[in-house]
Amino acid sequence: GENVEQHPSTLSVQEGDSAVIKCTYSDSASNYFPWYKQELGKGPQLIIDIRSNVGEKKDQRIAVTLNKTAKHFSLHITETQPEDSAVYFCAATSPWRSSNTGKLIFGQGTTLQVKP
Amino acid sequence: EAGVAQSPRYKIIEKRQSVAFWCNPISGHATLYWYQQILGQGPKLLIQFQNNGVVDDSQLPKDRFSAERLKGVDSTLKIQPAKLEDSAVYLCASSLGQTGVTHNSPLHFGNGTRLTVT
Repeated sequence: GENVEQHPSTLSVQEGDSAVIKCTYSDSASNYFPWYKQELGKGPQLIIDIRSNVGEKKDQRIAVTLNKTAKHFSLHITETQPEDSAVYFCAATSPWRSSNTGKLIFGQGTTLQVKP
Repeated sequence: EAGVAQSPRYKIIEKRQSVAFWCNPISGHATLYWYQQILGQGPKLLIQFQNNGVVDDSQLPKDRFSAERLKGVDSTLKIQPAKLEDSAVYLCASSLGQTGVTHNSPLHFGNGTRLTVT
């Protein structure tokens, strides 16, 4: 089955700096890669996603890149702000088929701290 | 649109007791998921329903966990008897389509129930 590895587990940056979180996946059939942000006491919230036919996607200060050959994808946050402090999760899924029900497999999470 | 609703928000029980969690997904969402999130880890799927049928329960400890989704809408997850290692946040999520999570059918989470087993 799919396995998703995420690094680093913790990341501390100064306000205004950039932050990068990296994930690798094992299933070459995976085709959808969302990123979630989880604040204390809340459920994960979808912040950006990328499909396997796209190499990069941007949304204001956040961007995701995907390298299908290497089976890894990354989240980039520029001009970080204190409110970006949270736990970030990457995830992956492959298309519905007899051996897969389209469920998301999550990485272990990265705790991002942005220091003012 | 209203999000995924879960209750209770917190629950503290002693080991060997039973507990139940309730979830109301986003209206019209065909697929409902229960995830377990142990402190410091990513969510792990316990069970996935498509309408009111189970499509994946491979990671559900069936000797103590059970779940149902009546009429393809609300769902309950039960643990009986609870063990110390069941302490976790139980997240309910839903997606629109009937073929799991996709770009056009992303996963939406509720705020979870934090369970502490003493």
